[in-house]
Amino acid sequence: AQSVTQPDIHITVSEGASLELRCNYSYGATPYLFWYVQSPGQGLQLLLKYFSGDTLVQGIKGFEAEFKRSQSSFNLRKPSVHWSDAAEYFCAVGARNTGNQFYFGTGTSLTVIP
Amino acid sequence: EPEVTQTPSHQVTQMGQEVILRCVPISNHLYFYWYRQILGQKVEFLVSFYNNEISEKSEIFDDQFSVERPDGSNFTLKIRSTKLEDSAMYFCASTTGAGANVLTFGAGSRLTVL
Repeated sequence: AQSVTQPDIHITVSEGASLELRCNYSYGATPYLFWYVQSPGQGLQLLLKYFSGDTLVQGIKGFEAEFKRSQSSFNLRKPSVHWSDAAEYFCAVGARNTGNQFYFGTGTSLTVIP
Repeated sequence: EPEVTQTPSHQVTQMGQEVILRCVPISNHLYFYWYRQILGQKVEFLVSFYNNEISEKSEIFDDQFSVERPDGSNFTLKIRSTKLEDSAMYFCASTTGAGANVLTFGAGSRLTVL
């Protein structure tokens, strides 16, 4: 069965510190992998995606993620967090067949302290 | 940048009442989706819609739910007789469906059932 696990429900970091949000997935086929961010009162905004090729992908707002097939992981990183990064972050896995649904993790809430 | 718009942003209704949530997907997108997020829980797939019919639905999407694309621009989710447990944030999403399956999400409609 397909599933996505985000083990950290809530993370607090200081502004300027580095960040890593964990994501593990279980999927029968080669997945598409995504990170979305949800700011308060906002929809889900795509940060980055992995389909194939280079396993380190760059996204918007200075985020990057690395696909590690052997660990079934797709962790999100940022070298220096800004106060505006405080939000809810969702990892998702999707099928390669168009029209299939995404499976989301439970999300990680990020608090940034000055 | 094109966006998915949803109305209303927040609706409060009495248990047993019918609710219609509206979405205007991006104009050149062909696949449409509804997801929901119960407070504090993960984002869950409800239904996908293509070529004027449901292409896939989850166990959550029972007979109380229906979707429609009445006029070529709107995509609606109807809940026939709301229950307390229908209280959630409902997200509409759309994608071109061509190649990579990247969903663009709306800001969501919060439904509160009393």
